[in-house]
Amino acid sequence: GAVVSQHPSWVICKSGTSVKIECRSLDFQATTMFWYRQFPKQSLMLMATSNEGSKATYEQGVEKDKFLINHASLTLSTLTVTSAHPEDSSFYICSAYMADTQYFGPGTRLTVL
Amino acid sequence: DAKTTQPPSMDCAEGRAANLPCNHSTISGNEYVYWYRQIHSQGPQYIIHGLKNNETNEMASLIITEDRKSSTLILPHATLRDTAVYYCIVRVNTGRRALTFGSGTRLQVQP
Repeated sequence: GAVVSQHPSWVICKSGTSVKIECRSLDFQATTMFWYRQFPKQSLMLMATSNEGSKATYEQGVEKDKFLINHASLTLSTLTVTSAHPEDSSFYICSAYMADTQYFGPGTRLTVL
Repeated sequence: DAKTTQPPSMDCAEGRAANLPCNHSTISGNEYVYWYRQIHSQGPQYIIHGLKNNETNEMASLIITEDRKSSTLILPHATLRDTAVYYCIVRVNTGRRALTFGSGTRLQVQP
């Protein structure tokens, strides 16, 4: 069964608004979670590494003030897309390690109108 | 992590075995071979991983060549639900770093 969940599975918002996406590890603790983004017909690209109790680490080219990450507990990381624009429309996927294997959430489809 | 090379696409008849190759000629001795798949509009799903011995689980078998420079993922009896993009990823099995995804192989299972 699934070991990582995401909520919501899809969201549509207006340009300029903020959207929060939750990523939860189920029945295990995850001190580190990862956030990926996937545009149509492309592969997954790492956006940031979320660390419990400390600041996230962002990949080059990813705006940390636009994509706010909070990892306040050992089972929950949130990604907030602030002042969303149509170019932020994408498939956002989180992941976490259980033992030595990385498991992925089902993804969140964000559409910004 | 070592680079991997996979064919961009493959077709397979339903009920037949699907053999997906992966080349990882620069693999290091401590790097594992991981396979994931991504069904359309879903997050990647872990399939199997191995170091040098062949591995089998309820989903698939992983055959790694003796020199470890290539591997093959085998889906023994492909179904339409196995249609997906399959990713072969090589990584060290210590440290919890993000995975780097290539383009993968798009497997189309035909009825």
